[in-house]
Amino acid sequence: QQQVKQSPQSLIVQKGGISIINCAYENTAFDYFPWYQQFPGKGPALLIAIRPDVSEKKEGRFTISFNKSAKQFSLHIMDSQPGDSATYFCAARGYGGATNKLIFGTGTLLAVQP
Amino acid sequence: DSGVTQTPKHLITATGQRVTLRCSPRSGDLSVYWYQQSLDQGLQFLIQYYNGEERAKGNILERFSAQQFPDLHSELNLSSLELGDSALYFCASSVVGELGEQYFGPGTRLTVT
Repeated sequence: QQQVKQSPQSLIVQKGGISIINCAYENTAFDYFPWYQQFPGKGPALLIAIRPDVSEKKEGRFTISFNKSAKQFSLHIMDSQPGDSATYFCAARGYGGATNKLIFGTGTLLAVQP
Repeated sequence: DSGVTQTPKHLITATGQRVTLRCSPRSGDLSVYWYQQSLDQGLQFLIQYYNGEERAKGNILERFSAQQFPDLHSELNLSSLELGDSALYFCASSVVGELGEQYFGPGTRLTVT
């Protein structure tokens, strides 16, 4: 019940295309869903996040779509660029407030081909 | 740059040894989290401290311990090291509250030989 399932494991997209990464969860107590971007040798960097009372959030080329009834959320990267090539992690926060621990998906390795 | 600093960047040690990883949170953040990243386990939450007190525990081994000091920096102590402890160890910090966005440091790569 504490898991976050992420797919696909890897993704190859042409420059200018749309990258889509999907995540699913079971615990309805999760109240915050961030996405992180990680480049090799670096720490995860917060990209965009959403709360379950919103169905979509957009920041620049990055959009989170959230389906509360299906317990699924996804990251869309529009006009994908080679510089977007990185590993992307979805996460869910368990028990908000003072205990903000994050439960991460297994990651998606994105390669954007020029 | 997230504002979270971690030292050292790399650490190579032998089995059975003990090491200490250090983390300084972003200015103003009272909460510190430790995560382990390995190929087989992914990113796993280890432990959280808030203003010097332990707040939440994940799958942290008994050989591992942490503390947060009055100046809010944190240390993760790993003892009786095994080959399987080789991993990236990340520290993150946040304000505590409704948002609680976590910002990660650059990590410490631990290699146990």
